[in-house]
Amino acid sequence: DVKVTQSSRYLVKRTGEKVFLECVQDMDHENMFWYRQDPGLGLRLIYFSYDVKMKEKGDIPEGYSVSREKKERFSLILESASTNQTSMYLCASSTGGGRGSNQPQHFGDGTRLSIL
Amino acid sequence: DAKTTQPNSMESNEEEPVHLPCNHSTISGTDYIHWYRQLPSQGPEYVIHGLTSNVNNRMASLAIAEDRKSSTLILHRATLRDAAVYYCILGHRDGGGTSYGKLTFGQGTILTVHP
Repeated sequence: DVKVTQSSRYLVKRTGEKVFLECVQDMDHENMFWYRQDPGLGLRLIYFSYDVKMKEKGDIPEGYSVSREKKERFSLILESASTNQTSMYLCASSTGGGRGSNQPQHFGDGTRLSIL
Repeated sequence: DAKTTQPNSMESNEEEPVHLPCNHSTISGTDYIHWYRQLPSQGPEYVIHGLTSNVNNRMASLAIAEDRKSSTLILHRATLRDAAVYYCILGHRDGGGTSYGKLTFGQGTILTVHP
């Protein structure tokens, strides 16, 4: 089975800190995604990557950046954390297939991030 | 982007079949229909997906209307472990764009299973 592992289940940080959320997948997937999930707003796509060192903005990229130096690892970076970034963050991966890919996404269990 | 419409909630009894409906009247010819579910305190889990024909796997069946404007996820015998939020999502396959399998999640249907 595909395993997507997020480095922390719970994380508490302070306003203004630089925060790194790490995600690792073990199935050699080309595509990786970062979402945030908030009550009443559902899951929203922040960034995704379709290859090493490649990235694309999702629907809500403001205040975030990403890094994909190795195929199995996709990092989400909060450059200067703010309280409105308190949320559940979910990482996912899927096999390639290029621009028209419709392969299933496999999700991690999420990181609940609190910014104080 | 084409959107989906699902009931906010549904209830079922254990060991009975469950039919979860989804409307997607603005679906395009190349959009796949995906279903995911999310159990409490977990990330979403892929259930099934299809394009035109009905699909079956070990978890569920997907029945797609002939005009593709609606679909139904069928759980053949609900168990307590099937209680979750079920999401019906259109997977965009725009050949000239940068979809890369991006999914847009809606609010989903909260399924409650009674013992």
